[in-house]
Amino acid sequence: DTGVSQDPRHKITKRGQNVTFRCDPISEHNRLYWYRQTLGQGPEFLTYFQNEAQLEKSRLLSDRFSAERPKGSFSTLEIQRTEQGDSAMYLCASSSGAIESGGSNQPQHFGDGTRLSIL
Amino acid sequence: AQSVSQHNHHVILSEAASLELGCNYSYGGTVNLFWYVQYPGQHLQLLLKYFSGDPLVKGIKGFEAEFIKSKFSFNLRKPSVQWSDTAEYFCAVNARNAGNMLTFGGGTRLMVKP
Repeated sequence: DTGVSQDPRHKITKRGQNVTFRCDPISEHNRLYWYRQTLGQGPEFLTYFQNEAQLEKSRLLSDRFSAERPKGSFSTLEIQRTEQGDSAMYLCASSSGAIESGGSNQPQHFGDGTRLSIL
Repeated sequence: AQSVSQHNHHVILSEAASLELGCNYSYGGTVNLFWYVQYPGQHLQLLLKYFSGDPLVKGIKGFEAEFIKSKFSFNLRKPSVQWSDTAEYFCAVNARNAGNMLTFGGGTRLMVKP
């Protein structure tokens, strides 16, 4: 178990710029999740993939946000035209699970996150 | 939609004191319940989980939690804390048959004084 890997660890950018983050899940995990965590809060769900299919999206995910998982392995999260309110820690998690509907009872394993700071 | 409340935002204890962190959720259906811990500078790690069966679940490092369905609660306990337990603790819920997302509480920051 090499763990969930996220890159970069830190990103500082000016307001209005686009940023892209990468997540490499645990290799045998077919489910991948993105969360956002602001200071003093718990993580908030953004989106979820099963293999390459994006199956759930939170209302928090505005049209400036897009996530992909093209080959069912790594995933990218892009934020276009960044705003001050986008400053947060972006967390990626992965889990195993059968292809089925309903809640998963396999625990999610989290990466170290990418901390985004908007100047 | 489900929600999770952790009523204690900051807890300060001396070593060997007993710990109980509260967690309440709101959701009318069946849930899976989790406690995650985040040590300073590290990623979220799973402490313990409840899916079904015995409502008293034991996790790593001497932690346990009890699911009380009638109270919608899943409180975390440890009989004797150590300085190394200093961390932030998050309760999380996954509502079955309502997707795969985890809903987290706001977290409890625990400081254990040596």
